[in-house]
Amino acid sequence: TQLLEQSPQFLSIQEGENLTVYCNSSSVFSSLQWYRQEPGEGPVLLVTVVTGGEVKKLKRLTFQFGDARKDSSLHITAAQPGDTGLYLCAGDPFSGTYKYIFGTGTRLKVLA
Amino acid sequence: EAQVTQNPRYLITVTGKKLTVTCSQNMNHEYMSWYRQDPGLGLRQIYYSMNVEVTDKGDVPEGYKVSRKEKRNFPLILESPSPNQTSLYFCASSLERGYNEQFFGPGTRLTVL
Repeated sequence: TQLLEQSPQFLSIQEGENLTVYCNSSSVFSSLQWYRQEPGEGPVLLVTVVTGGEVKKLKRLTFQFGDARKDSSLHITAAQPGDTGLYLCAGDPFSGTYKYIFGTGTRLKVLA
Repeated sequence: EAQVTQNPRYLITVTGKKLTVTCSQNMNHEYMSWYRQDPGLGLRQIYYSMNVEVTDKGDVPEGYKVSRKEKRNFPLILESPSPNQTSLYFCASSLERGYNEQFFGPGTRLTVL
């Protein structure tokens, strides 16, 4: 059962454009994390959001956790070719288990 | 250097031939997981372990076994591999379950013929 839906699935944009990636669920999460994965490597953590409504900034990346802790977004300002990669949201839902769930992923390509 | 190691990195095998993929972490982490990554499906958790001798099923456990006899090691066992287990596998560890960062190994690309 896939609990985290990401959109869009693919995104190809020009350098300098802005973009937003969404991560949605019908379940409540205690926290959500965003990872970035490059080809041939494992995902690497970008940020963790814990509190509903929380906003975190990492240089040109802005992360937001929904008030109800069911969704999150990643906004990139003035995208650069170095931002190219697979972006994954993930978290542990309040499910009574200790599972860890990943979203379906958003593959971003930034063209120079 | 803090890291998660996996071996082998690449493996081609035939249907039914038992195999083990090893995973080891040197960070004294309690929580360890195995994931498989398939195009369009993202990362799906196969098994996880909260601590030594404590393991539980993730979302896609069928056809896999794990064990956690030591804190640092979490091997993934395929008793009788089948072609639908062809995938990219990742081991990961974190200090504990929850919002602690998960550290991933480099991945094992498995092909079952």
